[in-house]
This record gives sequence, C-alpha cells and structure tokens, in this order.
Amino acid sequence: EDQVTQSPEALRLQEGESSSLNCSYTVSGLRGLFWYRQDPGKGPEFLFTLYSAGEEKEKERLKATLTKKESFLHITAPKPEDSATYLCAAQRGEGSQGNLIFGKGTKLSVKP
Amino acid sequence: DSGVTQTPKHLITATGQRVTLRCSPRSGDLSVYWYQQSLDQGLQFLIQYYNGEERAKGNILERFSAQQFPDLHSELNLSSLELGDSALYFCASSVEGADTQYFGPGTRLTVL
Repeated sequence: EDQVTQSPEALRLQEGESSSLNCSYTVSGLRGLFWYRQDPGKGPEFLFTLYSAGEEKEKERLKATLTKKESFLHITAPKPEDSATYLCAAQRGEGSQGNLIFGKGTKLSVKP
Repeated sequence: DSGVTQTPKHLITATGQRVTLRCSPRSGDLSVYWYQQSLDQGLQFLIQYYNGEERAKGNILERFSAQQFPDLHSELNLSSLELGDSALYFCASSVEGADTQYFGPGTRLTVL
C-alpha cells in the first residue's frame, strides 16, 4: 500500500537553530515528491517538487532533497515566520492522473 | 494567493442535509482535485476531474459526488451529511495531471 510518513510530528526550534524534517515514502511508480507549507485554517502553499533521487531545490532558508526512499526539508537559521505545518506528498499515476498522497505533516514552531 | 477560489468559506449545517461546495481553478488549469482534511486523517484525496471528465477516484463516499463544468469550475456535492463529515475541504488545480497542484483557501464544513 502506498504510504507517506513524516517525522517528527512536531518540532520546536529557537530562532537560528537549523534542523531537518523527514519524509519517507513507499509509493510505486513515483512521479514526483512535493513539499507544501500550511498555515492554520489555510490552504497548502506549494514549496518544491522533486522528481529524481539526488535532486535538490532551495528557496530562501529551505532546501529540499530526495533519495529513493526519503526526502528531507532542511531549514537553515529559521525565523518565527517559518512556523507552520510542513506537508510532504507523493504523486503517482499514469497519464492525466495526478492525485497526491500526503503525510500527516510536521508542525514547526520557531521561538524568538 | 494561489489563484484558486472556493466558496463558501464556512458552511454550518445539520445532519441529513445536502450541501454544494464550489471551486474555480486557476486560469488555464484543466485538472481539478478535491481533498478532505480532518484532524485525525490529514489530507485525503477524494476525486480528480480533467477537462470535464472524471480521471481518478480516491476514498470518496457514495454520498459524495462531484462534477466539472464546461467553464472548468467544479462542484462537490455532499449529501445525507453526518457529524463525521465535518472537515476542511480543499480544491486544487493543475495544468495537466502530473503538474504542480495549487490549492484554494478551503471550505470549512461543520455538521451539527
């Protein structure tokens, strides 16, 4: 069964304290691995897509990496405004199908 | 702002009732997806439409149905509502099935 697991469930950091969030997946025929940020009561906001093992993408203080079984979201010198829930999702399917399988997320709190 | 719009923002109704949620995709996007987010289950894929046709089905209950109209907007119909249907319902859109999905702000449904 296709599955996406994120750890830890919650992470509390001090401002400036770098860390990593983990996303492990067992998905047959993976087409892409997505990272989203979600603020309370709002829709997920797209961050990155990774398509192949070894790929890396960066945006400001965030860097996403992908292996054949896991993806990591590295947060460097986080600020309080980085506090949010970070969601990982795997996409599989053929042709025009493209539904995402989401993990339950990591809730990040960054204290000043 | 992702460019995906959803109405209404909030909906409060009673058990046994029927409601319709509406989604307008980003300009140019042909695929529309519906997801349900509850506290214990996380984001769960319900159904995908591509250019008016159903393309993929997830864990959608028989009491739920959806359609995509010629102008590409989509509606999710929920009937015989139960307390457990209370959740956030998100719509997402993409150009093609394998492309990045952009999420709307969601509709919060409360069934009393």
